This record gives sequence, C-alpha cells and structure tokens, in this order.
Amino acid sequence: EVQLVESGGGLVQPGRSLKLSCAASGFTFSNYYMAWVRQAPKKGLEWVATISTSGSRTYYPDSVKGRFTISRDNAKSSLYLQMNSLKSEDTATYYCARPEGTGNNWFAYWGQGTLVTVSS
Amino acid sequence: DIQMTQSPPVLSASVGDRVTLSCKASQNINKNLDWYQQKHGEAPKLLIYYTNNLQTGIPSRFSGSGSGTDYTLTISSLQPEDVATYFCLQHSSRYTFGAGTKLELK
Repeated sequence: EVQLVESGGGLVQPGRSLKLSCAASGFTFSNYYMAWVRQAPKKGLEWVATISTSGSRTYYPDSVKGRFTISRDNAKSSLYLQMNSLKSEDTATYYCARPEGTGNNWFAYWGQGTLVTVSS
Repeated sequence: DIQMTQSPPVLSASVGDRVTLSCKASQNINKNLDWYQQKHGEAPKLLIYYTNNLQTGIPSRFSGSGSGTDYTLTISSLQPEDVATYFCLQHSSRYTFGAGTKLELK
C-alpha cells in the first residue's frame, strides 16, 4: 500500500525558514517523480514543486521560485521541501504527492498533509 | 500559464440526481485533465485521470469526458457520500487546479 507521511509543519515567523519532510513507502521511490501541493485555509489547491527521479531536475511556479527548494533522498525514500523567506501567504497545508510514473502526470497518491502557519 | 475555470462554484442536488460539473481551460490541454474529490478535513483523492479514465476503486457512477478546452465530470446518481468539493487539474503544461465546485445535498 502506498503511504506518504508528511512532517515538519508548524508556526514560523515571516522571513524565517522551515523544512518539510515526506516519508514514502509501499512503492519503489526512486522510480517516480514527486511533488508538493499546498492548500491555503478554505482555499483551493496550488502546485508548489516537482522533482525528477534522480533529483537532477526541479520545477516550481513563480510564486515560490527562488524561495523554496525541493529535494529527495532515494536511499531513505524521503522527499523534502526547504522553504525560505516565508510570507504570510505561504500559510497552508502542504501535501506530498506522487505523480503517476515520470513526467507531468496526474497525482495518483497524496499524503494527509502538514500545516504551516506563517505569522508573527 | 494555463488558467482553469470551474463551474458552478456551488451545486445543490438531491440523492439520485444526475450531476454535471464543468471545467474550462484557457487553452487546449489535449485531454490532460484530472478530477479530484476532497471531503472536509481530508486530502484530495483522484477520481478520474486523463479526461475519462476511472481510478481503481472509484465507483462507476463517476465518469469524465471532454476535449480541447472543455471538460466534464458526471455523477450518474448522486449518493450522500458524494458530498465534497471537486477540483479539476490540468497537467498539459506544469500544473493548474481549478478553484473547485462544492457539491451539497438539497
């Protein structure tokens, strides 16, 4: 059974940093692209980052480019999101998601999410 | 960037009704369109991928159709457990979600 378990969320002040983790199990982690998707309170969903199987390619929307960094450790079946220079508008539940296969595909599996609150 | 517009924002229907939700892309997305269901307090769940492919374990009352810029999710006979918010997602060029349709029971 595919499982994605996020951790690392919490309350952080504007301008500070936070690193999220996602522990994956139930599939061969190194064979799949991985992604982060967020959802602000009572709002819609926003794609945040995608990483290739080896980690050599990463993709971001303009809203987080230059502030967020996605990475992975295939030996540990783990995905990460380093978030710097956080803003109040980054407040959201952050989901780890697994696209189907490689490339720009649908999100077949999602974690339960970890809440990040950016506030002074 | 591709924009996705979902309609209606809120839909009220009765148990047993046939329900249709719409999603319109700002440009041709070549059927790279998926549908997700999100119940209150839960993570999104994939229902339909690549326009009309039913994800494993999803009831057959859910179906998808469309092409070009216009896509539809249909629930053939609404059940109480279908109360949720439904999002479309284009993955033709990066990723863009629609704003969602909140489905309520009348």
